Amino acid sequence: AQSVTQLGSHVSVSEGALVLLRCNYSSSVPPYLFWYVQYPNQGLQLLLKYTTGATLVKGINGFEAEFKKSETSFHLTKPSAHMSDAAEYFCAVTDNYGQNFVFGPGTRLSVLP
Amino acid sequence: ETGVTQSPTHLIKTRGQQVTLRCSSQSGHNTVSWYQQALGQGPQFIFQYYREEENGRGNFPPRFSGLQFPNYSSELNVNALELDDSALYLCASSPKGDSSIYGYTFGSGTRLTVV
Repeated sequence: AQSVTQLGSHVSVSEGALVLLRCNYSSSVPPYLFWYVQYPNQGLQLLLKYTTGATLVKGINGFEAEFKKSETSFHLTKPSAHMSDAAEYFCAVTDNYGQNFVFGPGTRLSVLP
Repeated sequence: ETGVTQSPTHLIKTRGQQVTLRCSSQSGHNTVSWYQQALGQGPQFIFQYYREEENGRGNFPPRFSGLQFPNYSSELNVNALELDDSALYLCASSPKGDSSIYGYTFGSGTRLTVV
């Protein structure tokens, strides 16, 4: 069975500081990994995805994530936080059939002025 | 292109009642999945429909059922509502039945409150 853990239910950073949101996964098959962002009272928006190929993945809004198989991690980073980045972030894993995305519990990012 | 649209946006039902939630998938997408997101939690997979057939189901009881129509729109039906069914229900669509490659496009959800 697949699972996702996100260390830190709430992360606060200052505007302009580095954003690091952690995601570790468990999967018995090669994983496909995703980060989604959810703004209040909205659905989820895809930030980036890792399927195959390059392990460093760039997404929208300046975010990127690196797939590290040896560490079973897919941490999300952004060099400089912006106030508009304040939202809930979810890491998700699926297999190559993609029927069932398993989401982590989410990390709420606050950006302080 | 239009995204995923869900209706209604909010709904209040009484325990024991039945509810139908609706979803129009993004243009060109033939796969629809439904997720339940309880307050403060990540979404949980209910089921997926591909070309009008159920194509996978999560750990939800049979009182959660669905349909997909020829135009790829979908319904989620929940019978005998329980208080724990209160949640945000998210519909997500994907092209070509391979959500692992494309990811999902999510709708804004239906907020269901059971009283």
